[in-house]
Amino acid sequence: DQQVKQNSPSLSVQEGRISILNCDYTNSMFDYFLWYKKYPAEGPTFLISISSIKDKNEDGRFTVFLNKSAKHLSLHIVPSQPGDSAVYFCAASSGTGTASKLTFGTGTRLQVTL
Amino acid sequence: NAGVTQTPKFRILKIGQSMTLQCTQDMNHNYMYWYRQDPGMGLKLIYYSVGAGITDKGEVPNGYNVSRSTTEDFPLRLELAAPSQTSVYFCASSAGTGLRLFFGSGTQLSVL
Repeated sequence: DQQVKQNSPSLSVQEGRISILNCDYTNSMFDYFLWYKKYPAEGPTFLISISSIKDKNEDGRFTVFLNKSAKHLSLHIVPSQPGDSAVYFCAASSGTGTASKLTFGTGTRLQVTL
Repeated sequence: NAGVTQTPKFRILKIGQSMTLQCTQDMNHNYMYWYRQDPGMGLKLIYYSVGAGITDKGEVPNGYNVSRSTTEDFPLRLELAAPSQTSVYFCASSAGTGLRLFFGSGTQLSVL
């Protein structure tokens, strides 16, 4: 049972345009969400997070939106740059405690073209 | 600052062989984790540790063992390698109960 779903395996966006990566979840107990970015031959790195008490969080070119009623979150990258080409993982957590409660999605590969 | 270091980066094992994946971190994090990532899948937690001497099972622990004798090191042991253990393995650490994980660069393991 995939509780965190990233239904688009890949996405191609032109440099300078907006990239929108989507993530859906089924567990209503999830209350904290994160995005990780992964380059080839490297481990994932933390990008941005959002608590369920918020519906938006911004960090520079990256914004995460959370729609709790739809159990949906999205990551917006504006403007997209070639260096943003990577695999993006959505992750969700329920309750407090260690990251043993983190559930990861399957990832979306973003390619930013010139 | 090295962060989380994993060795080896690549390894090919024969069925039934054993090996230890090494992981060390220099951030003085109490929490450490081992994940595996299969093609087209999300990361799955194998084992985790909340401090030296304390370990617990994650979602997919079968076929693996861990130990945590120091804060820095968290090795993962495969006793009888099976083809189903072909995967990319990531070690990670975090400060306290924070969900911001710091990952190593991974070990690509093939069992043939």
